Amino acid sequence: GENVEQHPSTLSVQEGDSAVIKCTYSDSASNYFPWYKQELGKRPQLIIDIRSNVGEKKDQRIAVTLNKTAKHFSLHITETQPEDSAVYFCAASDTGTASKLTFGTGTRLQVTL
Amino acid sequence: DADVTQTPRNRITKTGKRIMLECSQTKGHDRMYWYRQDPGLGLRLIYYSFDVKDINKGEISDGYSVSRQAQAKFSLSLESAIPNQTALYFCATGGKEGTFQETQYFGPGTRLLVL
Repeated sequence: GENVEQHPSTLSVQEGDSAVIKCTYSDSASNYFPWYKQELGKRPQLIIDIRSNVGEKKDQRIAVTLNKTAKHFSLHITETQPEDSAVYFCAASDTGTASKLTFGTGTRLQVTL
Repeated sequence: DADVTQTPRNRITKTGKRIMLECSQTKGHDRMYWYRQDPGLGLRLIYYSFDVKDINKGEISDGYSVSRQAQAKFSLSLESAIPNQTALYFCATGGKEGTFQETQYFGPGTRLLVL
């Protein structure tokens, strides 16, 4: 099955700086890559997702890039704000069962003033 | 997403007890999932179901069972709870909504403590 590794496990940035979280996946046939944000005590919520036929997708201050050859994808947050502080999870679809997702272990992002 | 609900939200039980966690959704989604979240381990899939007659094991199904009573309901049971099942449990649904059918939407979670 799919294996997803996520780095770093914790990340601290100053407000206004950029943050980058990276994930690698093992199954070259995976074709769907969502990112979820989980605030303290809340449920994971989808913030952006991408399919394998697209190299990059942006939504305001967040963007995801995908390198199929290297089997890695990254979340980029620009102009970070305190409300960006949360745990972020990447995931990749399981090609055997396309509706299954394998999640990374999460990155705790802290945006300091 | 108030349209994916879980009950109870918090539960304390004792070792050996049988408990049931329930999930309901009004999204009309076919796919439903149960995950467990532990610190540093991310979200791990316990069971999933693609319709009422379909039940599939995830990566950590031992010690758990599920029931898909209707399209909108998916229950998770711990037959004989043990302390290492203490965790945060999430139900999720998925279907043809938004851009991609693979997208999953999570319920608010159930925090379970097994003493």
